[in-house]
Amino acid sequence: EAQVTQNPRYLITVTGKKLTVTCSQNMNHEYMSWYRQDPGLGLRQIYYSMNVEVTDKGDVPEGYKVSRKEKRNFPLILESPSPNQTSLYFCASSLSRVPPSFGANVLTFGAGSRLTVL
Amino acid sequence: AQSVTQLDSHVSVSEGTPVLLRCNYSSSYSPSLFWYVQHPNKGLQLLLKYTSAATLVKGINGFEAEFKKSETSFHLTKPSAHMSDAAEYFCVRGGTSYGKLTFGQGTILTVHP
Repeated sequence: EAQVTQNPRYLITVTGKKLTVTCSQNMNHEYMSWYRQDPGLGLRQIYYSMNVEVTDKGDVPEGYKVSRKEKRNFPLILESPSPNQTSLYFCASSLSRVPPSFGANVLTFGAGSRLTVL
Repeated sequence: AQSVTQLDSHVSVSEGTPVLLRCNYSSSYSPSLFWYVQHPNKGLQLLLKYTSAATLVKGINGFEAEFKKSETSFHLTKPSAHMSDAAEYFCVRGGTSYGKLTFGQGTILTVHP
């Protein structure tokens, strides 16, 4: 089944303890992106990647890192999590290098990862 | 900054009545526009997209949206609501910075029996 898989789905952690949220897609998609969803704010883009070894900042990159060493994986790294990073996180991918922002391709979303930082 | 505004945070309708979810965007040109739906505890799913072809766009599950450049709007409609339509809906714009998408704040649709 074609899908975007995120892990963990739920995580409670403490301030300062490094964590990684993994994202993997099995559709050979070029483009991948991370979003965070907070009540009343919709989804905000954290980072995106147009291809392997190519990443760029979205609207709220502070406190996050990403890497794209292989096409299928795009992990989100929180080096020193803080309570304001408590949120619901979504990974998404689309087929082409043509950005989904231009409507050429549809984003496929993962099921989400709910992170709580105490 | 480019933005997307969903004019209602909550919309409540009765089953079988029309649905209208409102979205306005800011832009000096015609962007790509999308509507996504999120059912409880699920990821987002594309309903429909506008990419400068026909201004009236038809999507899945009977939804449609009309692009009105003069009003900078892209409202989502459905003639008759179904209980399964209860979800949160997001208006999304693209076409600005390479690779970026901007989401609206979301509208929660409640459908009463």
